[in-house]
Amino acid sequence: NAGVTQTPKFRILKIGQSMTLQCAQDMNHNYMYWYRQDPGMGLKLIYYSVGAGITDKGEVPNGYNVSRSTTEDFPLRLELAAPSQTSVYFCASIAGTEYNEQFFGPGTRLTVL
Amino acid sequence: EDQVTQSPEALRLQEGESSSLNCSYTVSGLRGLFWYRQDPGKGPEFLFTLYSAGEEKEKERLKATLTKKESFLHITAPKPEDSATYLCAVQARGAGGTSYGKLTFGQGTILTVHP
Repeated sequence: NAGVTQTPKFRILKIGQSMTLQCAQDMNHNYMYWYRQDPGMGLKLIYYSVGAGITDKGEVPNGYNVSRSTTEDFPLRLELAAPSQTSVYFCASIAGTEYNEQFFGPGTRLTVL
Repeated sequence: EDQVTQSPEALRLQEGESSSLNCSYTVSGLRGLFWYRQDPGKGPEFLFTLYSAGEEKEKERLKATLTKKESFLHITAPKPEDSATYLCAVQARGAGGTSYGKLTFGQGTILTVHP
């Protein structure tokens, strides 16, 4: 198993541009999550999904969108990038029940200029 | 609203100097408290889950404990390779008994162990 994979690792965007952060897992996990991590701050939940076709907002969803058409993939979409979206983004998934630990991907570092 | 506060923000230790990291929490019904380790430029790596007050778990030089209001991560005789950011997170029971695995994280403690 490759675990949780994220692409790209780094990206620089101009204000107003759009992009999609990719997240995939090959472990057949139902629960998947997107977080952002700002310096000196903990991880903040953006969106989550409990299975294909089911998504819901987390703590900081504004400016982002998600979709979950398959169990494996959970892309995060930024439509109109703003400097406030400069952050490190992590995708995570849970094996088995929702009470188990989350496995994290390596992260995508995004800078919006 | 669930809240997690970690202290200190940063901790510098000499190799072999034992210490503890604190995680204070308020949550509407604790389902589990999680400790993660995060190395620079990497994603968090799972360490422990604690479910009820009085529970303890150990892994090498690390021991995590839990009370009704806080958790401690004790580091015994640390080595430079223990240097990392340690994150604490809580999972609430949620309305209807489920929170869909969502976690609320603290801001982390940056641990540096000097040789």
